[in-house]
Amino acid sequence: DVKVTQSSRYLVKRTGEKVFLECVQDMDHENMFWYRQDPGLGLRLIYFSYDVKMKEKGDIPEGYSVSREKKERFSLILESASTNQTSMYLCASSPRLAGDTDTQYFGPGTRLTVL
Amino acid sequence: GENVEQHPSTLSVQEGDSAVIKCTYSDSASNYFPWYKQELGKRPQLIIDIRSNVGEKKDQRIAVTLNKTAKHFSLHITETQPEDSAVYFCAASEGKLSFGAGTTVTVRA
Repeated sequence: DVKVTQSSRYLVKRTGEKVFLECVQDMDHENMFWYRQDPGLGLRLIYFSYDVKMKEKGDIPEGYSVSREKKERFSLILESASTNQTSMYLCASSPRLAGDTDTQYFGPGTRLTVL
Repeated sequence: GENVEQHPSTLSVQEGDSAVIKCTYSDSASNYFPWYKQELGKRPQLIIDIRSNVGEKKDQRIAVTLNKTAKHFSLHITETQPEDSAVYFCAASEGKLSFGAGTTVTVRA
């Protein structure tokens, strides 16, 4: 059974702080994704990665960066958190490269509040 | 990039009735169309998907139809039950998933 875990369920940070959100998957998936979920907007892709040390911008990468040093771990970084980054952040992984996209498995989400 | 529109945003049905959610997409290159269900406080989970070489797929009370010419696809839930209450997301992929805004389904007992 695929398991995707995220480091925190709830996080409260101050404006200007550097924030790290961690995601780990245990199924040796090549692909990993970071989304943010906001009411009425669905899930929007921030960044994704097809392999270790590879990263691609999604639809809303501004204000975010990512790191993938190991295959199982994909980190989302907010260099200087702002109040408009208050959101639910969801990590996902999938076993196959884009072009024949396979099922994405989601983590439980991190509810980030920036004060 | 791909643009996915989903309707309605909310749907209330009587238990036992059917529910239908419709999505349209913009990129004719999209070839994979999954549907996710997200219960309150939980992660999205895949409930059914369809690929572009198939027009319809069914799994018990859930079915999905795809019209590639019109670029729309729909989720059909028959004999709805209270446990079907959730937010449902459609998505389309031309390499990466683009999600609709979601439909909040409430099944009234």
